Parts: sequence; structure tokens; C-alpha cells
Amino acid sequence: QKEVEQDPGPLSVPEGAIVSLNCTYSNSAFQYFMWYRQYSRKGPELLMYTYSSGNKEDGRFTAQVDKSSKYISLFIRDSQPSDSATYLCAMSGGSARQLTFGSGTQLTVLP
Amino acid sequence: GAGVSQSPRYKVAKRGQDVALRCDPISGHVSLFWYQQALGQGPEFLTYFQNEAQLDKSGLPSDRFFAERPEGSVSTLKIQRTQQEDSAVYLCASSSTGSNQPQHFGDGTRLSIL
Repeated sequence: QKEVEQDPGPLSVPEGAIVSLNCTYSNSAFQYFMWYRQYSRKGPELLMYTYSSGNKEDGRFTAQVDKSSKYISLFIRDSQPSDSATYLCAMSGGSARQLTFGSGTQLTVLP
Repeated sequence: GAGVSQSPRYKVAKRGQDVALRCDPISGHVSLFWYQQALGQGPEFLTYFQNEAQLDKSGLPSDRFFAERPEGSVSTLKIQRTQQEDSAVYLCASSSTGSNQPQHFGDGTRLSIL
């Protein structure tokens, strides 16, 4: 079993919808949680960075972390066709500096 | 430039050849990471540098993989005697000083082994 599980999708929604993306993890040492967006043939782009549990909002994006359930979420409000991409969750903590990624969820927002 | 720069963007090599992939991190970033991304998967950790010191190479899949960062800036990932299973996108990321600062990625090198 992988340390970080993420539903690969694909997920297809109409423009303006609220999108919910989720990851679960097993390593209780993880304390730093990130969401990256990756367009085709590009590198991952950092969207959200949170430490420990709680919520963080940035424009149309909200990240939630529930360490007790080992569950993180990314919500996208008023989704746009330009949001169509693969979304990767990533986390780190403990003695490890490297990121452990989920497998990514492919999102398509239809105009 | 403002971001992480990787070259070449695409590399095709025949099985058995050696390849070298370059990463130029964000200026002033102390930490540098290499990841390997297979098609349809998330990136997987290969190795980590703090300045010129390679502090973790636990993710390197075999002794054919070698990375260096001799002056604490530009890094090179070298793969010797390439195999077909080495075909992947190789991503470089850098971060500033401090524990668990966010990592910023380049666009990667897409390596194809024929």
C-alpha cells in the first residue's frame, strides 16, 4: 500500500462547479501538506502549502487538513476551463525533507 | 531566470548510452531535489542536496544513477548504461533555507530510451 493514496479520476465537471479533490495518507509523521497543479508537459506548480491541521484559503482555492483522519482536501470554487490539469497532493515531515506525492487526479472543466 | 531551469527538455538515447541531465535552481536556494515521474504517476524522490552536500540518495534506483552539485548551485543527474525502464520525466526542485520550505519545480527533462 502506498503512503499517499489519491483517486486518479479522471474527473470531469461543468464550468462554475465546485471541485473536491482528496488524499489519504498513512504516515503520521507528515506535517507539511501541499497541493500542486501540473499542466501537460510542464512541471508541478505549487498551489497551496499548509502546516499541520486546519484550513487555508487563497482566492478560489481552499485546502483542508485533518490529521486525526489522515485526510487532506482541496476545494476549487467557480471552476474554470483553465483549471483543467492534473492535481497532485504532496506531503513531508519527520526526518525526511523530500516530498511524498499522490498519483494525481486528472481534472477537466468543461466550458 | 526566476524559476528552476532544466535542460535538455527532451532527450532520446539508445539503450546502453550514458546521459546527463542539468538543473539550474532558483538563485539562492540551498536545497535541491531530484524526482522521477513515470507516466500517469506522481513524482518519486531520487536524491537531495543541501548546498554541495548530498544528504540523501536513498531514492536512486540503482548504482547507474549518480548526482552531483559540486559548487552548491547547478546540479547534474547522470544515468550510466541506460535501460528502457529509465524512460521517465526527471524533475528538479529547489527550496530556500529552513526546514520543509515549499519546493518549486522545473519543467523536467523527458527521457526516452530506445
